[in-house]
Amino acid sequence: DAGITQSPRHKVTETGTPVTLRCHQTENHRYMYWYRQDPGHGLRLIHYSYGVKDTDKGEVSDGYSVSRSKTEDFLLTLESATSSQTSVYFCAIRSSQGNEQFFGPGTRLTVL
Amino acid sequence: QKEVEQDPGPLSVPEGAIVSLNCTYSNSAFQYFMWYRQYSRKGPELLMYTYSSGNKEDGRFTAQVDKSSKYISLFIRDSQPSDSATYLCAMNVDDMRFGAGTRLTVKP
Repeated sequence: DAGITQSPRHKVTETGTPVTLRCHQTENHRYMYWYRQDPGHGLRLIHYSYGVKDTDKGEVSDGYSVSRSKTEDFLLTLESATSSQTSVYFCAIRSSQGNEQFFGPGTRLTVL
Repeated sequence: QKEVEQDPGPLSVPEGAIVSLNCTYSNSAFQYFMWYRQYSRKGPELLMYTYSSGNKEDGRFTAQVDKSSKYISLFIRDSQPSDSATYLCAMNVDDMRFGAGTRLTVKP
């Protein structure tokens, strides 16, 4: 357990509505990541952060934005949710000692 | 072609069997290699982490990396029903790249 929590754990929403997912960590890790996991695609990087207010895009960033105003919180926002964004979203942190990443419990998002 | 290829299975073995899970990759710049275990409806859990060619052992698990062939493996000895999960390979230089995962079932 790397001290990572995600909220909400489950969410059902409608197409066109905004959605914000929260990742919270308790161990002051500099690097934080948002991934989505879909059958047949594995985990794909959406956005990552390398410090407060420092973020960058990943492989599948279209339709998503992020913010990091505090070290411990990394927010993922879907400005206008679409059905293609139905997925399981995982937050991760990078170890302070190396390159390995540790994952949170996930948020299951359904967009109707 | 995906950067990381992993047979999705499913793979079903009897308890006590030796399990071999494999991934191939195309990017020779990858330097760090990991295996994650993911139980149903849970987050991935780091099992093994290595950054050099060769073998690394941890209890019943052995990770093997062959950089010349761009091939990594995870061996599970004396497999148990509690090993039933999806196993993900991962590798990176900067961004992490994941295999799609192999679903393993160990039958009592």
